Amino acid sequence: GQQLNQSPQSMFIQEGEDVSMNCTSSSIFNTWLWYKQDPGEGPVLLIALYKAGELTSNGRLTAQFGITRKDSFLNISASIPSDVGIYFCAGQLKSGNTGKLIFGQGTTLQVKP
Amino acid sequence: NAGVTQTPKFQVLKTGQSMTLQCAQDMNHEYMSWYRQDPGMGLRLIHYSVGAGITDQGEVPNGYNVSRSTTEDFPLRLLSAAPSQTSVYFCASSLRRRLTTHNEQFFGPGTRLTVL
Repeated sequence: GQQLNQSPQSMFIQEGEDVSMNCTSSSIFNTWLWYKQDPGEGPVLLIALYKAGELTSNGRLTAQFGITRKDSFLNISASIPSDVGIYFCAGQLKSGNTGKLIFGQGTTLQVKP
Repeated sequence: NAGVTQTPKFQVLKTGQSMTLQCAQDMNHEYMSWYRQDPGMGLRLIHYSVGAGITDQGEVPNGYNVSRSTTEDFPLRLLSAAPSQTSVYFCASSLRRRLTTHNEQFFGPGTRLTVL
């Protein structure tokens, strides 16, 4: 089935550092989404991207929809302790009609104060 | 708006028992779906619905049934629970199936299910 390869799997960084993570696939997507999941909670949408090449920011977060429509990245600038959590990329395929989101495996972020 | 709500938050079952996981949304969303989350595998689609009376299978439907009698509710039924169904279950909804600007997919808080 379709897969999203998300990397890195985990990151342990110092407060104030910038963070970068990405997702790649062999399939073409219409939509890329980035979610954050806190322990014991459901995923919360951070940024949604709908056009190839689109670059969108949400505070300290910036995400881009790759030109090839097969990848996306998320940057977090000047990390703070509350950025800790699991970050998921998710894509909705260009083809198909289920409305299904395909999820990456997640990037676990830990921030050392 | 309460958004997407799920009950129960935690559940322990014995193998062979049946139960229903509840999901409700008050945003008048047409599209609702169920995912399961397992370690290292992201979220996988179980079943989905594009409106009241319409349901269809996702990626991992075996062992689960759904129905959509109202726009608001989308319960997930486990007919005969198995240890392989131990997982965290998330319900999600969006206004329509195809995501666009102002049509985003929202997730509930999840149900943590353990099958012994």
